[in-house]
Amino acid sequence: EVQLVESGGNLVQPGGSLRLSCVASGFTFSNYNMNWVRQAPEKGLDWLSSVSYSGTTIYYADSAKGRFTISRDNAKNSVYLQMNSLRAEDTAVYYCARSERFNIRGQIYYSMDVWGKGTTVTVSS
Amino acid sequence: DIQLTQSPSFLSASVGDRVTITCRASQGISSYLAWYQQKPGKAPNLLIYAASTLQTGVPSRFSGSGSETEFTLTISSLQPEDFATYYCQQLNSYPHFGQGTRLESK
Repeated sequence: EVQLVESGGNLVQPGGSLRLSCVASGFTFSNYNMNWVRQAPEKGLDWLSSVSYSGTTIYYADSAKGRFTISRDNAKNSVYLQMNSLRAEDTAVYYCARSERFNIRGQIYYSMDVWGKGTTVTVSS
Repeated sequence: DIQLTQSPSFLSASVGDRVTITCRASQGISSYLAWYQQKPGKAPNLLIYAASTLQTGVPSRFSGSGSETEFTLTISSLQPEDFATYYCQQLNSYPHFGQGTRLESK
């Protein structure tokens, strides 16, 4: 079964740090780009960061730039999100998601086709 | 960054209704658009990619259309399990999401 399982969410004080992990199973992890997306309580989806299958290309949303770092370890089938200088507004469920590559008549399209169940980060004193 | 604006933000409908949700991009994104469904407490689920291609396993009552700056998600005959929040996402550049459309039972 294709699966992503996040962990590492916790209650942390403002200014603190957390490292989220996402372990993949059921597919060849090293073939896929991976993403982190979060959702604050009662809010919409907020893409944070993407890492290429090899780990060499990384993108961040403005909301993540400078404080969050994405990385991956293909030997461990895992992607990580290091979060520093956490703020109350970082309180959210954090999802990892796989980027599937679709080829339609020679044109390549990506979408996030597999998602984990999420891990909850609460930033509060 | 490319901005996506969904309309409406809230929609009340009944089982059997035909429902359409619109997603507008601030600049042209060809067909690099996906639609997701999310139910409370659950992760999002991919419905449509490349603007109009149905993901495997998604019921055929869902369809997508559009290109460049205007896209639609249509549910041809609403079923009880379709009440959820729907998001569009552009994948032309940084993969940001629209703000969501909450579909509720009338």
